[in-house]
Amino acid sequence: DADVTQTPRNRITKTGKRIMLECSQTKGHDRMYWYRQDPGLGLRLIYYSFDVKDINKGEISDGYSVSRQAQAKFSLSLESAIPNQTALYFCATSAGANEQFFGPGTRLTVL
Amino acid sequence: AQSVAQPEDQVNVAEGNPLTVKCTYSVSGNPYLFWYVQYPNRGLQFLLKYITGDNLVKGSYGFEAEFNKSQTSFHLKKPSALVSDSALYFCAVRVGGGFQKLVFGTGTRLLVSP
Repeated sequence: DADVTQTPRNRITKTGKRIMLECSQTKGHDRMYWYRQDPGLGLRLIYYSFDVKDINKGEISDGYSVSRQAQAKFSLSLESAIPNQTALYFCATSAGANEQFFGPGTRLTVL
Repeated sequence: AQSVAQPEDQVNVAEGNPLTVKCTYSVSGNPYLFWYVQYPNRGLQFLLKYITGDNLVKGSYGFEAEFNKSQTSFHLKKPSALVSDSALYFCAVRVGGGFQKLVFGTGTRLLVSP
């Protein structure tokens, strides 16, 4: 969905490096989410945010942190990347508890 | 735990034939159910949802889903499959109280052959 953008689209990094994935949305939604997708595991929620002042951990938040810089921007950081964080990462937004709209994803490889 | 299950990793169907992608759920209370589709190198796209009302829900691209409370199922269907329907399909259920998050199934790959 072009209304939700993610940068970068692909990233290769080394173990121990800090990396930031960025998400922006023009849908005016209040809620934003970060998921990771692994083959055979579906999508798992990392962090979610009601609004700029409200950030919450999801089911797999260890090793990750987030920042909601504005209503439209939600970034995900890996403080010290490790190989098992190699995955496809998705940002999503929603208006309240309605259906979520996803960005195109970031493919992250940690060597 | 509240969850959804997609029992088939892959579904194969010939173009023009009807297709069904299965989903069963386990929730307390009334379920809010969703289907999403993921095309290669793309994010998930919303197809349809069931909140309340008619058990047959119509969505995008000619897809529909049937909610069956007694069987705790929410199967995705299409009367006539297209090769372009080949993708990864995810069922999801909305859970939680104050913050209602989505819990996704593991996905079913649909392959439609010409």
